[in-house]
Amino acid sequence: SAVISQKPSRDICQRGTSLTIQCQVDSQVTMMFWYRQQPGQSLTLIATANQGSEATYESGFVIDKFPISRPNLTFSTLTVSNMSPEDSSIYLCSVEEQGGIQAFFGQGTRLTVV
Amino acid sequence: SQQGEEDPQALSIQEGENATMNCSYKTSINNLQWYRQNSGRGLVHLILIRSNEREKHSGRLRVTLDTSKKSSSLLITASRAADTASYFCATGIQGAQKLVFGQGTRLTINP
Repeated sequence: SAVISQKPSRDICQRGTSLTIQCQVDSQVTMMFWYRQQPGQSLTLIATANQGSEATYESGFVIDKFPISRPNLTFSTLTVSNMSPEDSSIYLCSVEEQGGIQAFFGQGTRLTVV
Repeated sequence: SQQGEEDPQALSIQEGENATMNCSYKTSINNLQWYRQNSGRGLVHLILIRSNEREKHSGRLRVTLDTSKKSSSLLITASRAADTASYFCATGIQGAQKLVFGQGTRLTINP
């Protein structure tokens, strides 16, 4: 199984600033996924990141607010831009397992915007 | 909108009892997966059941899938305090390489 390291694990940020979250995988994976989990809620997919191409964003999420990088097959970043208190959530990255079915998650980044 | 609806939203039982959580979904799926989340941390993958399977076991876990009713259930037998967590179902949608999560069930096991 893939091991995913996500940094930072938590942060408290001022509104109007940006935070970049890193996701490192111990093996090469084709697709990486970024999710948001608002307080007390379920997970919502933000975008899918393929290496070498633009990320694909879900309805309600835009690149200007959540730019994503995918420079290689083991690493991705998600930036939460121009933050407001409504962005306070847990952000999680996820990768496919070998069979091509998404299964493994990082420990998440708990973001609080004040 | 979320694909999955789970019930109950919260469940509290005594240690040693069995816990059953249900998940319903709306569209055709390739598979359905169950995850556990402790205290708002990362998700741990518990079990996957494919659309052509009806039942699957893993240790104290038993998952059923009824595609005609678009529903699944997760049974945890002989519950332990360490099973206290939130449990989410997630569906792999046909034609889309992503998971859609249900709202989750908060399970509390009382010692």
